[in-house]
Amino acid sequence: DAKTTQPTSMDCAEGRAANLPCNHSTISGNEYVYWYRQIHSQGPQYIIHGLKNNETNEMASLIITEDRKSSTLILPHATLRDTAVYYCIVRVAYMDSNYQLIWGAGTKLIIKP
Amino acid sequence: GAVVSQHPSRVICKSGTSVKIECRSLDFQATTMFWYRQFPKQSLMLMATSNEGSKATYEQGVEKDKFLINHASLTLSTLTVTSAHPEDSSFYICSAREGRYNSPLHFGNGTRLTVT
Repeated sequence: DAKTTQPTSMDCAEGRAANLPCNHSTISGNEYVYWYRQIHSQGPQYIIHGLKNNETNEMASLIITEDRKSSTLILPHATLRDTAVYYCIVRVAYMDSNYQLIWGAGTKLIIKP
Repeated sequence: GAVVSQHPSRVICKSGTSVKIECRSLDFQATTMFWYRQFPKQSLMLMATSNEGSKATYEQGVEKDKFLINHASLTLSTLTVTSAHPEDSSFYICSAREGRYNSPLHFGNGTRLTVT
């Protein structure tokens, strides 16, 4: 089972910041939080990941609470092309040195003009 | 950034035939690749883990004789759906990890399989 909880859907106005919340209250100390998105009929696209510090890259920012039980993905200036399903995933240790991502239902983000 | 290429993007086949899907890491070597299946309006489900030079590891409930996986090189893994049936119609996606343990997975663009 997925270890994260996300809202089913969200709307955001074009040009505004989109803030996508995620709860992962059972996260372990060495588990990372990953964010991916999937545009309709395409493969998932990696966005960002983090352990406990806030992270920023050219696509987004990731804010992780101090207790690590929740996080927020921020798309600073949403465009219509950001409409997608956004998945917040806690990495699960898998097969010794490998790891796997357990996918939940994600948040369908709709950017409106 | 790392690119994973998947081919074909779309295939229609008749019931009883076999279909091969290729997954290539274009600019990095991937000792491990993963195969997923996604039904409409559902999330990704891991089918198997493909390891270069060894047998794939299948998730519970996935028939290894039906979904043949070959990871012949560090840049290529193939999934063959044998004796396909309409219920095998789905969106199949591969992924690969570049480098270190904490590196993100990169995904192909998926293959839409329709079995008639």
